[in-house]
Amino acid sequence: DAGITQSPRHKVTETGTPVTLRCHQTENHRYMYWYRQDPGHGLRLIHYSYGVKDTDKGEVSDGYSVSRSKTEDFLLTLESATSSQTSVYFCAISTTSARTDTQYFGPGTRLTVL
Amino acid sequence: GESVGLHLPTLSVQEGDNSIINCAYSNSASDYFIWYKQESGKGPQFIIDIRSNMDKRQGQRVTVLLNKTVKHLSLQIAATQPGDSAVYFCAETNAGNNRKLIWGLGTSLAVNP
Repeated sequence: DAGITQSPRHKVTETGTPVTLRCHQTENHRYMYWYRQDPGHGLRLIHYSYGVKDTDKGEVSDGYSVSRSKTEDFLLTLESATSSQTSVYFCAISTTSARTDTQYFGPGTRLTVL
Repeated sequence: GESVGLHLPTLSVQEGDNSIINCAYSNSASDYFIWYKQESGKGPQFIIDIRSNMDKRQGQRVTVLLNKTVKHLSLQIAATQPGDSAVYFCAETNAGNNRKLIWGLGTSLAVNP
């Protein structure tokens, strides 16, 4: 699992509340990613980071923000959760080999917004 | 058994048979391709990868074939086992894409005992 943990693993919250998901890695990988996975949509990139304080948007970034103040932690924040953000969220890291762009995934966080 | 990932999302095979999962990728500039396996309740797990300068690569019980002419990728699993039951995703990327992957929608493989 490339030393990736996500917390919490499950969360139920109410519409309008802020939510922060944490991704932690132990191997100093430069690239980190947040995805959401929904039936019929596969994996969709929310935001990614290519270094400390360096982040960029993915294809479904509206309603989400991220922060990376340390190499090992990448936080995903839903400022005001909506029911459409009910999903499974996966964090991934990318190994820095020049030959590959392989991403390795954490175990996921199941978020339910009521 | 054979399936096209985007049009036949479910593939059912008998234990011991070979499985073929197909993927049509979208970007002719893509130069690196990966197959992932996702079991229920878990994150995607890397299986095998291939670069565009190759047309075949073999792993343990798995083989990936790449046909750049028709932008087609396939994953072959030999002697399919019940533990192979999962959803399989193909992903593509290219140089300068900041290591962002473009994902297929996945194919569900069910192995019947």
